[in-house]
Amino acid sequence: GQSLEQPSEVTAVEGAIVQINCTYQTSGFYGLSWYQQHDGGAPTFLSYNALDGLEETGRFSSFLSRSDSYGYLLLQELQMKDSASYFCAPLNRDDKIIFGKGTRLHILP
Amino acid sequence: GAGVSQSPSNKVTEKGKDVELRCDPISGHTALYWYRQSLGQGLEFLIYFQGNSAPDKSGLPSDRFSAERTGGSVSTLTIQRTQQEDSAVYLCASSNDAGTVPYEQYFGPGTRLTVT
Repeated sequence: GQSLEQPSEVTAVEGAIVQINCTYQTSGFYGLSWYQQHDGGAPTFLSYNALDGLEETGRFSSFLSRSDSYGYLLLQELQMKDSASYFCAPLNRDDKIIFGKGTRLHILP
Repeated sequence: GAGVSQSPSNKVTEKGKDVELRCDPISGHTALYWYRQSLGQGLEFLIYFQGNSAPDKSGLPSDRFSAERTGGSVSTLTIQRTQQEDSAVYLCASSNDAGTVPYEQYFGPGTRLTVT
């Protein structure tokens, strides 16, 4: 079967660093994507990890450990505009991307 | 360039009526996905088209739901005999598996369906 776990909500302070964890179970795993969705908006792609290790894109970094079926999204220098929902989305061998319930990130001034 | 478009943006229908939702993917994208998102919830996978392969319909919640993709481009999601629990935002996404970042999905703005 398939399963996906990430915290439902995370709260952090503006300017700080926050990590959103994701554990997954899916057959034929290829890689892990992360998407951001602001209220009322459509999801937008943030990053994709095909290999173990850290991928950095500006203030955002994403990490993958295949052996642990685990990944995380790291957001640095948090800004109020980062308040959104974040979805980890494993890709499997059928080219199907599975989205979970996402993590709602609240940022306090 | 043009992104994924969906129509209508909003649809209010009476319980029991049929509705059709349309998705125009990015030109050249071979993969097309439909998702459903209820208020404050995650994305629920509905159906996936990839090129000329048979679609993956494993996420369709009931036989009232169907979708087709004509000519490998435009897709229509049809919901027959709508029920109040069908109320949600229906999102379409496309991707190009030959792209720099394969499997990156580009989402449309969604269709907000309200069944009264």
